[in-house]
Amino acid sequence: DIQLTQSPSFLSTSVGDRVTITCRASQGISSYLAWYQQKPGKAPKLLIYTTSTLQSGVPSRFSGSGSGTEFTLTISSLQPEDFATYYCQQFNSYPLTFGGGTKVEIK
Amino acid sequence: QVQLQESGPGLVKPSQTLSLTCTVSGGSISSDGYFWSWIRQLPGKGLEWIGNIYYTGYNYYPNPSLKSRVTISLDTSKNQLSLKLSSVTAADTAVYYCSRAPLAYCGGDCLPGAFGFWGQGTLVTVSS
Repeated sequence: DIQLTQSPSFLSTSVGDRVTITCRASQGISSYLAWYQQKPGKAPKLLIYTTSTLQSGVPSRFSGSGSGTEFTLTISSLQPEDFATYYCQQFNSYPLTFGGGTKVEIK
Repeated sequence: QVQLQESGPGLVKPSQTLSLTCTVSGGSISSDGYFWSWIRQLPGKGLEWIGNIYYTGYNYYPNPSLKSRVTISLDTSKNQLSLKLSSVTAADTAVYYCSRAPLAYCGGDCLPGAFGFWGQGTLVTVSS
């Protein structure tokens, strides 16, 4: 199974800050990586797929990059509605797996 | 806009079978090129993929960690996706989501891409 390790697992930050979350895969997954945002009591929401393609309707302050085994999600200027937990997910091979999550909280 | 809605018992006794249904509206479950999946989230924890099935009903991939206990199927007449998980224990207590993803690619297996549509989730508690 491909393990996805997210770092940090917890981030205390402020509105307007630039935020970078890293997702490392235990083996190469090409560009088959997605990012999701989840708020308490809600289903995950797709932000980015295939490493860097922004899902329709997602603000352009979100961006993704990487390839192989290291990927990043960047929020260029954190907004109040961005405080949430973020997950990466690989779809390179079965079983599909998710990272452990990064919780972004208000400082 | 496709909408997904999970339904089923919120409480299941240990050793019994958990059965959930996902009703799809705003689109057909037989739409060409889509995978239908179940994903769960244990309380306060991350996300675990349970398995998926292609719109044809023929390409079925369960998570090996659950393989012997999981059955996923499509009912095209009702536009529904179903999940059955047998011999449940307290460790199966979770919020269960259904989701849709487009076909990403086929190598030896065919894989879905990212999960663009999700149901709201349903909490299933395993307890006597």
